[in-house]
Amino acid sequence: ETGVTQSPTHLIKTRGQQVTLRCSSQSGHNTVSWYQQALGQGPQFIFQYYREEENGRGNFPPRFSGLQFPNYSSELNVNALELDDSALYLCASSLVGGQNYGYTFGSGTRLTVV
Amino acid sequence: QKEVEQDPGPLSVPEGAIVSLNCTYSNSAFQYFMWYRQYSRKGPELLMYTYSSGNKEDGRFTAQVDKSSKYISLFIRDSQPSDSATYLCAMSGSSASKIIFGSGTRLSIRP
Repeated sequence: ETGVTQSPTHLIKTRGQQVTLRCSSQSGHNTVSWYQQALGQGPQFIFQYYREEENGRGNFPPRFSGLQFPNYSSELNVNALELDDSALYLCASSLVGGQNYGYTFGSGTRLTVV
Repeated sequence: QKEVEQDPGPLSVPEGAIVSLNCTYSNSAFQYFMWYRQYSRKGPELLMYTYSSGNKEDGRFTAQVDKSSKYISLFIRDSQPSDSATYLCAMSGSSASKIIFGSGTRLSIRP
């Protein structure tokens, strides 16, 4: 059973640029959620995708957008990067309707905006 | 007021001690309660989950949920240096809805 993999692991971008982060779900999982974790804070919910549709969104502006593909992999896109977007971005997969509850997280992408 | 409150610590205890970690919450709709462990430079790892009120034990770990007080706890018995990590409480209203995390407690076990 494969876990959740995220790429890249680290990224440095300039303010105003755009970035795309990628996530491969754990085998058998059908839902992907994205979280932003600032240093010393708990993860903050960005949005969730189920069957390629957005299925809930946190308090993030529209410049944060996402996609889920038929193989349940996902992308997080952030436009017009701001310095405060510097954080660890976590992808988590889960199986809605399954017997086991809880998310499986990837190791994250560390984004630094300069 | 945050939906989930957690003391950030840091908490430092000697090896072998019993550790108690706690969270309070305000949303009475929460029904699923979880504890995650996060090592430095890693993603959170699910340790325990509980549905509704009650206790759940898994090896050295015990999770307790008191919905009447909106209070959850994680106990670690016979703590080991390898338990040193950040512990995140988390909760949600249903199996399909978003999970809300606390801010995490940094725990250090001294050999």
